[in-house]
Amino acid sequence: DTGVSQDPRHKITKRGQNVTFRCDPISEHNRLYWYRQTLGQGPEFLTYFQNEAQLEKSRLLSDRFSAERPKGSFSTLEIQRTEQGDSAMYLCARTILSGDEQFFGPGTRLTVL
Amino acid sequence: AQSVTQLGSHVSVSEGALVLLRCNYSSSVPPYLFWYVQYPNQGLQLLLKYTSAATLVKGINGFEAEFKKSETSFHLTKPSAHMSDAAEYFCAVLNTGFQKLVFGTGTRLLVSP
Repeated sequence: DTGVSQDPRHKITKRGQNVTFRCDPISEHNRLYWYRQTLGQGPEFLTYFQNEAQLEKSRLLSDRFSAERPKGSFSTLEIQRTEQGDSAMYLCARTILSGDEQFFGPGTRLTVL
Repeated sequence: AQSVTQLGSHVSVSEGALVLLRCNYSSSVPPYLFWYVQYPNQGLQLLLKYTSAATLVKGINGFEAEFKKSETSFHLTKPSAHMSDAAEYFCAVLNTGFQKLVFGTGTRLLVSP
């Protein structure tokens, strides 16, 4: 158990629809990361939070993407006006503030038709 | 910028044979390096990490990796492959400036009876 849960595990949507994913880390006092993994590739960094503050955003995160972490606990990643190119596995990871290992959740697989 | 390169998108071994998965890194500062394993439709599981302590790092499931600065390598090995080792393996370097992981493209390990 990595101490990270993600919901839903799978999401199928039509192009143009909005989707929201949730990540719940076991502890509030940590950093939380979002990565995107497309087929046959390694995960790519999207954004990360330290407590409730969003400290870094990748250029991959277009203006259709928004992430929040209210109160430094769970986090949500929303994609507006989905496109077929958004189809991927979205992974959430946590780390403790004094550590450098990142522990990953099971991911949410998004399919945009 | 820090990066890793994984040589060989697929590696095939027989059960009981030596496993060798290759990773080379590029970093202008002493790197923090990681190996993760991913089973189908699952998140990533941390196998081991190198953070400038011992150059030979032992991880879970009998895997180990050796940091070689002269070769800028961090190859993953296991003396005897098991069928359950069949999975995708990712090498990653920690971008210490932004605290994010930069992953290689992965190596799929196939284990035959």
